[in-house]
Amino acid sequence: DGGITQSPKYLFRKEGQNVTLSCEQNLNHDAMYWYRQDPGQGLRLIYYSQIVNDFQKGDIAEGYSVSREKKESFPLTVTSAQKNPTAFYLCASSPTPGGRVTDYTFGSGTRLTVV
Amino acid sequence: GQQLNQSPQSMFIQEGEDVSMNCTSSSIFNTWLWYKQDPGEGPVLLIALYKAGELTSNGRLTAQFGITRKDSFLNISASIPSDVGIYFCAGRPRERDMRFGAGTRLTVKP
Repeated sequence: DGGITQSPKYLFRKEGQNVTLSCEQNLNHDAMYWYRQDPGQGLRLIYYSQIVNDFQKGDIAEGYSVSREKKESFPLTVTSAQKNPTAFYLCASSPTPGGRVTDYTFGSGTRLTVV
Repeated sequence: GQQLNQSPQSMFIQEGEDVSMNCTSSSIFNTWLWYKQDPGEGPVLLIALYKAGELTSNGRLTAQFGITRKDSFLNISASIPSDVGIYFCAGRPRERDMRFGAGTRLTVKP
C-alpha cells in the first residue's frame, strides 16, 4: 500500500548534536512538507519541496535543513542551532503543490527529545 | 501568515453527548479541512469543504464552511469513546499553502 513512512518513531538527542529525521513516500507525490507540532499549537511549516532538488523555507526554518535528492525522500536535519528542538515532527506529501487537499497525506510522526 | 483560532482548546464530555468546535480566520479561506489525530500518530482527514455555506457529513460528523469564508464548524453527534483525540481545522487561503488550528483535545468519559 502507498503511504508515507517516517523513522524513527522516537529519537533522543544530546544537546549540541545534529540529528536527521527520515521521510519516505511511495505515492509518487511531487510535493513534500515538514511540520513541527508543539502542545497547544497548530502545525507549523518548517520546509517544503515542490520538486526534486528544490526546497523552500517555511515559517520556522531556522535551525533546520533539508534535502530533496530523490522524489521519494525528504530528510530533515535538526541542527544544534535549533534552540528548542524537542517536539513532534510530521512529514506530509501531496501530488502537486496546489493539488487536491484530500490527497494531502501525513506520516505518523517522529517524536524528538533532547536530553 | 494567516492564523487560525480554534476553540475550545479541550473538551471533557460524557459518552452520548454531542460536541461542537469551531475555527476562525482573519482572512478568507478557499478550503476548510477537519482532521483527527490520535496520540503519537499523524492527522487523518475527516471532512473537506470547498464552498461557502457548504454542509458536509461523514457518519456522525458534520462540518460547515462559514458563509463569510472566515470560519468553519465541526459537530460530532452521539460521541463514543473512540472519538477521543485531537481535532484540527486547516485551511487553504491560496494554492500551495495550508494553515492549521491549534487543535481541540476531546476526552469522552464512558
